[in-house]
Amino acid sequence: SYVLTQPPSVSVAPGQTARITCEENNIGSKSVHWYQQKPGQAPVLVVYDDFDRPSGIPERISGSNSGNTATLTISRVEAGDEADYYCQVWDSTSDHYVFGTGTKVTVL
Amino acid sequence: QVTLRESGPALVKPTQTLTLICSFSGFSLNTRGMCVTWIRQPPGKALQWLARIDWDDDKYYTTSLKTRLSIAKDTSKNQVVLTMTNMDPVDTATFYCARNNPYSTNCDISPFDYWGQGTLVTVSS
Repeated sequence: SYVLTQPPSVSVAPGQTARITCEENNIGSKSVHWYQQKPGQAPVLVVYDDFDRPSGIPERISGSNSGNTATLTISRVEAGDEADYYCQVWDSTSDHYVFGTGTKVTVL
Repeated sequence: QVTLRESGPALVKPTQTLTLICSFSGFSLNTRGMCVTWIRQPPGKALQWLARIDWDDDKYYTTSLKTRLSIAKDTSKNQVVLTMTNMDPVDTATFYCARNNPYSTNCDISPFDYWGQGTLVTVSS
């Protein structure tokens, strides 16, 4: 089955850059979406189709996808970026949506 | 504006059937390219996709739970109903419904652009 592997946690100081990876064989051939989830809240779409941002999402948040790794990058990290982040794709082989294992971003 | 809201019991007993309703506004499931999806999240764990229903009544289920899930829509009420049979304590989770962004008319690859606030369902005797 298709499994999207993310690092369990990423720690970053304010003002620095956080990079969250999402790994699976040939993920670069798929459209990857990213969601931010703060404690007690529903997920929020922050990047879709690898690198597009919904309206209202700051340019500090960006995405890329190539080969076996998709990456969500948060530049100039702020305290408000502290959250869990999930990648997500559609696996056409199984006709399933697949979510990543999730990454907790901690702002030091 | 688009909103979704989940409703259903907060507590169910083992072996019972869970019925959840997703009530939405701001879009119609009669519109080509529109889809609604159910996702759950056990406490402290990752998101898990459960089921999807499309504007043309196509339905998709996660394989591991396919025999226990059923999804249906009532377009007159702007609702999507999810039923899950034979509930077990391991099914304790927050259940979300979400809309697939209709920009591509292909719900397979479209992201979940609007989510409900979620409803926590606890399975316990």
